[in-house]
Amino acid sequence: QPVLTQPPSASASLGASVTLTCTLSSGYSNYKVDWYQQRPGKGPRFVMRVGTGGIVGSKGDGIPDRFSVLGSGLNRYLTIKNIQEEDESDYHCGADHGSGSNFVWVFGGGTKLTVL
Amino acid sequence: EVQLVESGGGLVQPGGSLRLSCAASGFTFSSYWMSWVRQAPGKGLEWVANIKQDGSEKYYVDSVKGRFTISRDNAKNSLYLQMNSLRAEDTAVYYCASPRVRWGQGTLVTVSS
Repeated sequence: QPVLTQPPSASASLGASVTLTCTLSSGYSNYKVDWYQQRPGKGPRFVMRVGTGGIVGSKGDGIPDRFSVLGSGLNRYLTIKNIQEEDESDYHCGADHGSGSNFVWVFGGGTKLTVL
Repeated sequence: EVQLVESGGGLVQPGGSLRLSCAASGFTFSSYWMSWVRQAPGKGLEWVANIKQDGSEKYYVDSVKGRFTISRDNAKNSLYLQMNSLRAEDTAVYYCASPRVRWGQGTLVTVSS
């Protein structure tokens, strides 16, 4: 099954841009990844799904146009432009693998984004 | 408005049992796979279990197989997680989710003597 790796922290100034990275383990370069935003004390919220061709399907409800994704090789990126205070959150990536009794859904460790 | 509201969490002794419930509203619950995902204090997300729309397929993370049972009642728009033989390492906030639609706010399960 794939392993998803995320840097534990990132920071960006108000109004700036930041790119968060989720790296799939070797051999899983064709996998799609979901991004989730989790504000402090809240449940996660679906942001969007990304493959090597970019976004897959639609963004989650209420996700602003400032959020975009790209995929390249083993990396899946989430870029946030014109960062706002409300973007300060933990960002998780997840991927499902297998089918039937072998199904698993794995997550990265999450990246805590601090808005300066 | 799409909503998922979990309940049933609490403090339980090791080896004990607990049943979590999740009430869904604002969407066609019976049309979606549903999931339970947990988050230990200060940690990342961990998938626990999935159930198909009609309940005919259920999948679990290895660490809970044989101890936890996921179920649903589409007539009541409700999802459940029966947790038996609880261990300290099961301590976490448990989220009910239709992952690309909505997540609940979570319910805390603490396993401790």
